[in-house]
Amino acid sequence: QKEVEQDPGPLSVPEGAIVSLNCTYSNSAFQYFMWYRQYSRKGPELLMYTYSSGNKEDGRFTAQVDKSSKYISLFIRDSQPSDSATYLCAMRGVIQGAQKLVFGQGTRLTINP
Amino acid sequence: NAGVTQTPKFRVLKTGQSMTLLCAQDMNHEYMYWYRQDPGMGLRLIHYSVGEGTTAKGEVPDGYNVSRLKKQNFLLGLESAAPSQTSVYFCASSSLGPRATGSDQPQHFGDGTRLSIL
Repeated sequence: QKEVEQDPGPLSVPEGAIVSLNCTYSNSAFQYFMWYRQYSRKGPELLMYTYSSGNKEDGRFTAQVDKSSKYISLFIRDSQPSDSATYLCAMRGVIQGAQKLVFGQGTRLTINP
Repeated sequence: NAGVTQTPKFRVLKTGQSMTLLCAQDMNHEYMYWYRQDPGMGLRLIHYSVGEGTTAKGEVPDGYNVSRLKKQNFLLGLESAAPSQTSVYFCASSSLGPRATGSDQPQHFGDGTRLSIL
């Protein structure tokens, strides 16, 4: 079983739709959760960073963490064509005495005008 | 304000050849990382460095060597390239290291080196 599971998609939605991207994880040691956005032929850039369970909002983006279910989500409201990218979840925690950062495999998202 | 710069951007090698990928950061970050990104596998950590003169193995270190002679540079070497090393390689840096207890300091990534081994 992978430590972090993320549906690779691809996911295609019309402009203006609400998008939901999700990751599940297996190790309760993960304490910090991130979402990165990666445009084609570019490096990942940090989009959202959360620590505790609950919601964190930044403009059109909301990150949600449910530690009891080991499930994290990223919601995009009023999606725009410029949001078309691959979205990677990532999580960090102390595992076997060392900090470990693990990435999901990424979900490719296309917003159609 | 370059951030993290990777050279070269593209390279094609023959099996058995060697080469070095260069990563340079201008943010005075202590920590630097090399990842490879393959379809369906996500980002996997090859090696990392917590400071000048130090290196450590990541998840997939075999076939690679690294050096951090200067704080701003982190080199990734392929001693004898193999087709399995065909990938996109990303360098990242941060002021938050593996042993930090947490803050909002993110890893900053370069735009990658696309490497094909024939």
